[in-house]
Amino acid sequence: KAGVTQTPRYLIKTRGQQVTLSCSPISGHRSVSWYQQTPGQGLQFLFEYFSETQRNKGNFPGRFSGRQFSNSRSEMNVSTLELGDSALYLCASSSTPGLAGSTDTQYFGPGTRLTVL
Amino acid sequence: AQRVTQPEKLLSVFKGAPVELKCNYSYSGSPELFWYVQYSRQRLQLLLRHISRESIKGFTADLNKGETSFHLKKPFAQEEDSAMYYCALLDNAGNMLTFGGGTRLMVKP
Repeated sequence: KAGVTQTPRYLIKTRGQQVTLSCSPISGHRSVSWYQQTPGQGLQFLFEYFSETQRNKGNFPGRFSGRQFSNSRSEMNVSTLELGDSALYLCASSSTPGLAGSTDTQYFGPGTRLTVL
Repeated sequence: AQRVTQPEKLLSVFKGAPVELKCNYSYSGSPELFWYVQYSRQRLQLLLRHISRESIKGFTADLNKGETSFHLKKPFAQEEDSAMYYCALLDNAGNMLTFGGGTRLMVKP
């Protein structure tokens, strides 16, 4: 099976712009989670989607949003970009929503590195 | 609020030496704990989870609820173990995975 893919891999934007990142999960996986990774804050959970519904959202401002399509592909949007949004954005997929008590595993993509100038 | 702390940003050991990467957590419920690893130029991947109680690549981790710790151990480090290691906690509802800051393990020849 092909792994989780993320596009684009690298992106440079300026403050105030908006950006859309895409994530294609492993075939058959219906859950997609997004994470932000920065040197200062580490890995932080953004949100999770399952069957086109947002299950949970981390502590991020409303500028960060996402959606999931019927084919399980997911997009993440950040509006009015700020310098602090520069980060590696990781997407992970799993076959079930959440992982509690299960033997399911999240598989991570390579990430999209966003630089805001 | 749940929190995961990895007190060491960098741990350097010689090949063949024992390794212990520390992880402490704060959570009011019954957590599920994981260790993730990221080798150079590779993706983040699951190393092990406490409910599986398995040993992966010689690594083990025991959940100590009394000390709220989930330290990762290996008796004899190998050079190929050099990587970034993240401890993570999943809440009861399986809604949110909280990561620690990570520890970079360097195994010297």
